[in-house]
Amino acid sequence: NAGVTQTPKFRVLKTGQSMTLLCAQDMNHEYMYWYRQDPGMGLRLIHYSVGEGTTAKGEVPDGYNVSRLKKQNFLLGLESAAPSQTSVYFCASQRSGGLLNSYEQYFGPGTRLTVT
Amino acid sequence: GQQLNQSPQSMFIQEGEDVSMNCTSSSIFNTWLWYKQDPGEGPVLLIALYKAGELTSNGRLTAQFGITRKDSFLNISASIPSDVGIYFCAGQGAQKLVFGQGTRLTINP
Repeated sequence: NAGVTQTPKFRVLKTGQSMTLLCAQDMNHEYMYWYRQDPGMGLRLIHYSVGEGTTAKGEVPDGYNVSRLKKQNFLLGLESAAPSQTSVYFCASQRSGGLLNSYEQYFGPGTRLTVT
Repeated sequence: GQQLNQSPQSMFIQEGEDVSMNCTSSSIFNTWLWYKQDPGEGPVLLIALYKAGELTSNGRLTAQFGITRKDSFLNISASIPSDVGIYFCAGQGAQKLVFGQGTRLTINP
């Protein structure tokens, strides 16, 4: 199993450009998450999904959109990138909720995004 | 919203020393998780705790789920250079985890 994979690993954008980050998991997990990590800020939740076709806002959703068309994929889109979106983005997946051992989240390796 | 207070924010220790860090919350959590993040990598799950009072070990790591369900502790014994990184606690909220701010561990050889 590859676990959670993210593409691309690095990206540099100019202000106003758009891009999509792809997260894929091969563990048949129901829940998927997008976080951003900035120095001294820990992990902040952007959007999440508790199943195929469903999405919900997290702590810092503004400027981002997501889609979960297939259970194994979770896409994060930036429609018009801003310098404030320079960050490291992590995707995570979780089996589900409600059952023992279901709350463990597994993270991808991250995407380092710079917006100039 | 729910918040976790993780302390200390950073630690500078000598190789071989034991390490202790903790997380506290004003809310009750039913699950506590501890993660480690190496530089340039994603967080990796170290230990998961599911019962109040539970004490769980993973090699030189030991974590405890506080009896009040509002805190958790992580201890690392006999630290080695590969223990360097950022350690995060997380509590299980509704459909998502609440993360602490992290403890950055630096080890002097």
